[in-house]
Amino acid sequence: GDSVTQMEGPVTLSEEAFLTINCTYTATGYPSLFWYVQYPGEGLQLLLKATKADDKGSNKGFEATYRKETTSFHLEKGSVQVSDSAVYFCALKVSGGYQKVTFGIGTKLQVIP
Amino acid sequence: KAGVTQTPRYLIKTRGQQVTLSCSPISGHRSVSWYQQTPGQGLQFLFEYFSETQRNKGNFPGRFSGRQFSNSRSEMNVSTLELGDSALYLCASSLVGRLEDEQFFGPGTRLTVL
Repeated sequence: GDSVTQMEGPVTLSEEAFLTINCTYTATGYPSLFWYVQYPGEGLQLLLKATKADDKGSNKGFEATYRKETTSFHLEKGSVQVSDSAVYFCALKVSGGYQKVTFGIGTKLQVIP
Repeated sequence: KAGVTQTPRYLIKTRGQQVTLSCSPISGHRSVSWYQQTPGQGLQFLFEYFSETQRNKGNFPGRFSGRQFSNSRSEMNVSTLELGDSALYLCASSLVGRLEDEQFFGPGTRLTVL
């Protein structure tokens, strides 16, 4: 079946530090890949996505590149802010699965001033 | 445009009871999906509805059921509640549920089973 693996964390960084959250996947078909973010007390928000190999998704300074050869979609940001503190979920969706999204366990990020 | 709304936001029940959660999708969205979020299992897909029909289902026991109405609003029901059903239940809507359609999530209903 489909699965997504990411570190659970928590990850604690100082403000302006570089962020990397690793994500690898296995999929039965050709997946679209996503990063979602969940702020405290809120639902999930789509952060970025990529639908084919070598695509780079980007939003709010975050980036992730779809690497088919390594089945990875690592999330990066060059300089994190306190407001980036949240839980980040890597996820995938495959054709034919309609809106069934398979999520990773989520990585909690805490940014300290 | 109003987002996805879920009611109630918080719910406390006891074992053996049943519960119904409600989700109103974004206006014009016809696909509604439900997810269960727990600290141990993370986010797991429950089911998806489109045009009042269940189109996809996750690996949950039959105690978990849902339905969708003609106005696209959806409800999910859990019967014979167990302690392990304590979770945040998230609803998400999208236009018609195609692969490329973005899902928009509601704030969730926090269910506590005592």
